[in-house]
Amino acid sequence: GQNIDQPTEMTATEGAIVQINCTYQTSGFNGLFWYQQHAGEAPTFLSYNVLDGLEEKGRFSSFLSRSKGYSYLLLKELQMKDSASYLCAVRYNTDKLIFGTGTRLQVFP
Amino acid sequence: DAGITQSPRHKVTETGTPVTLRCHQTENHRYMYWYRQDPGHGLRLIHYSYGVKDTDKGEVSDGYSVSRSKTEDFLLTLESATSSQTSVYFCAISGPTGGKGYTFGSGTRLTVV
Repeated sequence: GQNIDQPTEMTATEGAIVQINCTYQTSGFNGLFWYQQHAGEAPTFLSYNVLDGLEEKGRFSSFLSRSKGYSYLLLKELQMKDSASYLCAVRYNTDKLIFGTGTRLQVFP
Repeated sequence: DAGITQSPRHKVTETGTPVTLRCHQTENHRYMYWYRQDPGHGLRLIHYSYGVKDTDKGEVSDGYSVSRSKTEDFLLTLESATSSQTSVYFCAISGPTGGKGYTFGSGTRLTVV
């Protein structure tokens, strides 16, 4: 299989920084995506990594290490509206994405 | 936003009945996908399509069939609905470059009683 592992739940305080980790099997790797999904809504695209390193986009950054099969999503200056599930997804060889089970983030005031 | 719509948004059906969910896109994208999302399992791929009349199975395809007779429409059919198929179903599309991943429809919440 192509297991993608991420923590089930995380909590953080408004204004803080949180890092959500994702590990995956490296064979056939062809890109990693992060999505945000608010309760009752569709997932929306956050970031894409295919090469090693950090991709920064405003308050959100995503890091990839292909040799380690590891990625993280970093959320800075947390806001209440960041309370959502964050989905890690990996593309293997083809255009299909395999998703992790998601990390539910709760931001408290 | 990408033009992708799913219908119906909500449906309650009885065990043993056939059900068809529709996904419609106005982006002319070649690739379309059907996922189901369940607590503890995340998004799991049911079927996907690489073009008109070109479909293939995903990881949880048993009990489902699909058809794609036009680029813009991708239909998912539950041949004989079971309670285990109660779920939220998402359709997704992706463009040629793949760098933006998928765009998802709003989802269909299906309850089989």
